[in-house]
Amino acid sequence: KAGVTQTPRYLIKTRGQQVTLSCSPISGHRSVSWYQQTPGQGLQFLFEYFSETQRNKGNFPGRFSGRQFSNSRSEMNVSTLELGDSALYLCASSLGETGGNEQYFGPGTRLTVT
Amino acid sequence: AQKVTQAQTEISVVEKEDVTLDCVYETRDTTYYLFWYKQPPSGELVFLIRRNSFDEQNEISGRYSWNFQKSTSSFNFTITASQVVDSAVYFCALIRPNAGNNRKLIWGLGTSLAVNP
Repeated sequence: KAGVTQTPRYLIKTRGQQVTLSCSPISGHRSVSWYQQTPGQGLQFLFEYFSETQRNKGNFPGRFSGRQFSNSRSEMNVSTLELGDSALYLCASSLGETGGNEQYFGPGTRLTVT
Repeated sequence: AQKVTQAQTEISVVEKEDVTLDCVYETRDTTYYLFWYKQPPSGELVFLIRRNSFDEQNEISGRYSWNFQKSTSSFNFTITASQVVDSAVYFCALIRPNAGNNRKLIWGLGTSLAVNP
């Protein structure tokens, strides 16, 4: 079974631009969660989608948004990029809604904002 | 407040040594799950174990073992006879499944383990 895939793997953007990251969950998994990982803040929860609905959202500004499609694939978008948005963005999928289910992570997208 | 503390930022051991990674958590909920994940240099987080709050049995999987003690709010991870391939950052995490809008994984800051030959 293929794992979680994320594209692109690396991205360099300029301040003020916007970016869209993509995540394809493990086949059959309906829940997708996004995390931001930085050296200073560690892993921070962004949002969770289940059956195309956002179930939970972390404490991030409205510049961070996401969506999930009917095939469970998910995208996240960051508008008006800031230097502080430079991070590793990780996507994770699980069978059901995040609760006690283990999440399986993709390799991440390394975003650098200059 | 919910919190996960991994007090050891970095640990360095020589191959074949045993090493224990500490995890202390805080929550008032009686129902919760604890996790350990491994993040090798490649960056992909790898699931290691899940434990629910009602199951305090210790678990052993090969060279890995976990000690869950509710009395001390700890969920420690021991690697026996460490190997170079164990070098990675290890994360402990907590989730409260009944927390509604606050149902999300709370992560420790991780422990970077270096196993030297």
